[in-house]
Amino acid sequence: EAGVTQSPTHLIKTRGQQATLRCSPISGHTSVYWYQQALGLGLQFLLWYDEGEERNRGNFPPRFSGRQFPNYSSELNVNALELEDSALYLCASSSRVRADTQYFGPGTRLTVL
Amino acid sequence: AQTVTQSQPEMSVQEAETVTLSCTYDTSENNYYLFWYKQPPSRQMILVIRQEAYKQQNATENRFSVNFQKAAKSFSLKISDSQLGDTAMYFCAFISGATNKLIFGTGTLLAVQP
Repeated sequence: EAGVTQSPTHLIKTRGQQATLRCSPISGHTSVYWYQQALGLGLQFLLWYDEGEERNRGNFPPRFSGRQFPNYSSELNVNALELEDSALYLCASSSRVRADTQYFGPGTRLTVL
Repeated sequence: AQTVTQSQPEMSVQEAETVTLSCTYDTSENNYYLFWYKQPPSRQMILVIRQEAYKQQNATENRFSVNFQKAAKSFSLKISDSQLGDTAMYFCAFISGATNKLIFGTGTLLAVQP
């Protein structure tokens, strides 16, 4: 069974640009979560999507947004990139049966120059 | 506020020996789950073990086991027969059903020495 996949592996942008990160959950999982892992700030919850709806949001500005598609894959968009957005962005998914347990993808390393 | 604390930034253990990583948490909720994840240099976050707060029995997964003390809000991870592949950053994490968001500790970097 394939795990959570994310693309791209690395992404380099300049300040002010927009970044789009993609995530495909484990087959059968309906919830997708996004986390940011920045140096010195640890792992922070960004967003939770379930059945196409945003269910919960972390303490991040509105320029962090996303969506979930009918096939349960998800996109994270970061607008007006700032230097401090440089981080590893991790996507996770969970099933309805075991909603409490999240399985992570390999992450996308975003570098903002 | 819910918090997770890992007080050991780094630890080292010899191959084949046993090591225990500490974690404490704070919550006013009764229904929650606790996890240990490992993140090797490849950066993939891997689930190691899961504990349901309403279960008194400590979870075990092969060489990995936990010591869950609910009253003390303590959740330590024991790794037996340490292997070189266990070298990684280990994160303790908490989740409650209300928000479905994982709250992570700051991590413990474990180095297994040959």
